[in-house]
Amino acid sequence: DGGITQSPKYLFRKEGQNVTLSCEQNLNHDAMYWYRQDPGQGLRLIYYSQIVNDFQKGDIAEGYSVSREKKESFPLTVTSAQKNPTAFYLCASRPGQGADNEQFFGPGTRLTVL
Amino acid sequence: GNSVTQMEGPVTLSEEAFLTINCTYTATGYPSLFWYVQYPGEGLQLLLKATKADDKGSNKGFEATYRKETTSFHLEKGSVQVSDSAVYFCASSGGYQKVTFGTGTKLQVIP
Repeated sequence: DGGITQSPKYLFRKEGQNVTLSCEQNLNHDAMYWYRQDPGQGLRLIYYSQIVNDFQKGDIAEGYSVSREKKESFPLTVTSAQKNPTAFYLCASRPGQGADNEQFFGPGTRLTVL
Repeated sequence: GNSVTQMEGPVTLSEEAFLTINCTYTATGYPSLFWYVQYPGEGLQLLLKATKADDKGSNKGFEATYRKETTSFHLEKGSVQVSDSAVYFCASSGGYQKVTFGTGTKLQVIP
């Protein structure tokens, strides 16, 4: 089955620690995205990547970093510089460049910083 | 820049009631428009989409029409079920791989 996987589903970390969230897709999609979702605030774009070895900052990139070494993988690191990292994180992918292509979402990772 | 505005929730309806969730957009040019649905604790799933003016997207009894003159893409369903309870997101895409989402509207359907 083709799809997007995110792991783990729940993640707990102590304040001041970096943590990496995994996102893998086997849909052969070129573009991948990371969003942050907070209660009542919808989705906010953190980073996106259109091709391997290239990525761009989204609206709230501060305190986050990404890499895109393989087409299938787009891990997100939440660094200690992110002031309020507790949130639900969603990864998505999308084929090609066309505006009419929909995004496919993973099941999300809920990060709680203690 | 592009923006999407959708009605605030929560929206509470009785089963079999008619549903409308309003969505308006601002964009340069003519974006593609989407409705996504999110069930508790899950990621988003595409519900329907429309890629040009006057197109109607439909799926699972939901439908929305791309209205260029009013820059709107309102979601409707004639008879909601308890299983439709979820958060609904309107989104627009003008290419260049960026998608703009509304803030989401929570729908609760009571038996």
